[in-house]
Amino acid sequence: NAGVTQTPKFQVLKTGQSMTLQCAQDMNHEYMSWYRQDPGMGLRLIHYSVGAGITDQGEVPNGYNVSRSTTEDFPLRLLSAAPSQTSVYFCASSYVVDGTQYFGPGTRLLVL
Amino acid sequence: SQKIEQNSEALNIQEGKTATLTCNYTNYSPAYLQWYRQDPGRGPVFLLLIRENEKEKRKERLKVTFDTTLKQSLFHITASQPADSATYLCALRGSQGNLIFGKGTKLSVKP
Repeated sequence: NAGVTQTPKFQVLKTGQSMTLQCAQDMNHEYMSWYRQDPGMGLRLIHYSVGAGITDQGEVPNGYNVSRSTTEDFPLRLLSAAPSQTSVYFCASSYVVDGTQYFGPGTRLLVL
Repeated sequence: SQKIEQNSEALNIQEGKTATLTCNYTNYSPAYLQWYRQDPGRGPVFLLLIRENEKEKRKERLKVTFDTTLKQSLFHITASQPADSATYLCALRGSQGNLIFGKGTKLSVKP
């Protein structure tokens, strides 16, 4: 099992550009989520999904979109990047909403 | 509002000593609490889960306690080693049902 994979590992964007952060898991987990991690702020939940076709907002959803068309994939879209979105992004999955989370290796994003 | 506090941003100890990390919470009634380890440049990795009816849980050199009256969990690493140096995060179920993470404590074990 590859577990949770994320691409790209690192990305530089200019303000206003759009991009998609990819996340995939091969553990057949129903629950997937996106977090951002900033110094001094800890992990903050952006969006989550409890199954294919179902998504919901977390603590900091503004500026981000998600969709869940399959159990395996949960991409995160930045529609118009802003410097405030410079962060490290982690995707996670689990069997249940509040169960043990399996995290991906992260995507480091720099918005200039 | 619900809050999780890990009251030390950083903890420095000598190799061989016991490291004790604290996780306090307010306005929660969690059924269980989780602890994760995060190494620089990597995602968090699950270590231990302790349920509200368990006072203590052990895994090798790790020990976790959970006091629902004090609203506190303690995470101990005995006979600490430099390889234990990492950031340790506690997590609880939030009001939406998702896990909410504390900001973490960075542990440094000096040889």
